[in-house]
Amino acid sequence: NAGVTQTPKFRVLKTGQSMTLLCAQDMNHEYMYWYRQDPGMGLRLIHYSVGEGTTAKGEVPDGYNVSRLKKQNFLLGLESAAPSQTSVYFCASSNQMNTEAFFGQGTRLTVV
Amino acid sequence: RKEVEQDPGPFNVPEGATVAFNCTYSNSASQSFFWYRQDCRKEPKLLMSVYSSGNEDGRFTAQLNRASQYISLLIRDSKLSDSATYLCVVNMRPSGSARQLTFGSGTQLTVLP
Repeated sequence: NAGVTQTPKFRVLKTGQSMTLLCAQDMNHEYMYWYRQDPGMGLRLIHYSVGEGTTAKGEVPDGYNVSRLKKQNFLLGLESAAPSQTSVYFCASSNQMNTEAFFGQGTRLTVV
Repeated sequence: RKEVEQDPGPFNVPEGATVAFNCTYSNSASQSFFWYRQDCRKEPKLLMSVYSSGNEDGRFTAQLNRASQYISLLIRDSKLSDSATYLCVVNMRPSGSARQLTFGSGTQLTVLP
């Protein structure tokens, strides 16, 4: 019973490098989300998707892109990493916007 | 001003104590409310939903006051295993954004032996 799986779990990038974070869920959820968590800031929504082939901007979308080509996968891309993107990234999924969100274990990203 | 505000704590309480956390939210049109729990370096997990009439789950009681835009969580008979950060979560539409789950920054609880 995997739930929501994120890869990788840890990553160190140099400024200007690119990378993609992968999120996979096996619960057949329509909604998927990418959050970042910084000390004292709580979780902030980066982008989200309400179904396969759809994406939308959240609260802090700048510097990130996303794709939802398959219902079970939601990818978060950083085209040119900056030190300000050092954070813990969480993916989540839910059946509806108002219901419980299930989170992946997080990706700790450091940009140097 | 943050959309969802919580006292960050930390709250340090002895085993068996009763502790209460409060949370205020800014958008009166908010639709649904939750408390999540997050252990150190782990992902958030749903603790309980918060209903208008208030609800209880074992040692945990959640209350909602829509008029005051205020949510609370009461933990009775605290256990060592209750040590965690408690996140207040509101389904709302932040200024200039779409409706979404908006998280408070969390209240840290440590239960001491």
